[in-house]
Amino acid sequence: SQKIEQNSEALNIQEGKTATLTCNYTNYSPAYLQWYRQDPGRGPVFLLLIRENEKEKRKERLKVTFDTTLKQSLFHITASQPADSATYLCALENGNNRLAFGKGNQVVVIP
Amino acid sequence: EAGVAQSPRYKIIEKRQSVAFWCNPISGHATLYWYQQILGQGPKLLIQFQNNGVVDDSQLPKDRFSAERLKGVDSTLKIQPAKLEDSAVYLCASSPGLAGGWGNEQFFGPGTRLTVL
Repeated sequence: SQKIEQNSEALNIQEGKTATLTCNYTNYSPAYLQWYRQDPGRGPVFLLLIRENEKEKRKERLKVTFDTTLKQSLFHITASQPADSATYLCALENGNNRLAFGKGNQVVVIP
Repeated sequence: EAGVAQSPRYKIIEKRQSVAFWCNPISGHATLYWYQQILGQGPKLLIQFQNNGVVDDSQLPKDRFSAERLKGVDSTLKIQPAKLEDSAVYLCASSPGLAGGWGNEQFFGPGTRLTVL
């Protein structure tokens, strides 16, 4: 069966450090992978998109990698700040402009 | 640019009652989605519209859920009758991309939190 796995345990990290989140998937062959941020009581907000032929994508303090051999994406927040505390969702493009989401990974940045 | 609007923000009903949610997508976005997000889970796609046609409703429990997008703009999602397990946040999203397209971000509304007692 198809699975998208994100760590269910919250990541607690000291301010200024780099937070790294993992997204593993099975039985998918996504051409694109997206990352979203979700704050409590709000809808997800798009952060970054990476194509299968791209190894790495950056946007400000965010970096995403995509390894189609390992079937894994890594999401990094460098120089983390308390305002980065949120849940981060990995989403695979499933064709037809459609997304399949992982369950998300909470990040808590400690001042 | 105005975002995706949803109403109501919260709804509490008894099981077996009916409920309806409304969504107004970003102007000009052809594709509209309804998702169900159960606490602690990621959003699960219920139905995808392109303009006023259904592209995918394979995960919509059609015995109790229905959705429409008349005139290809606003959309409503209805549950009738509701069950306890329908308690969740219902998210609406829109995208400028079309079915068959790739690499388009989705813009989400704030969601409607439904509690079924």
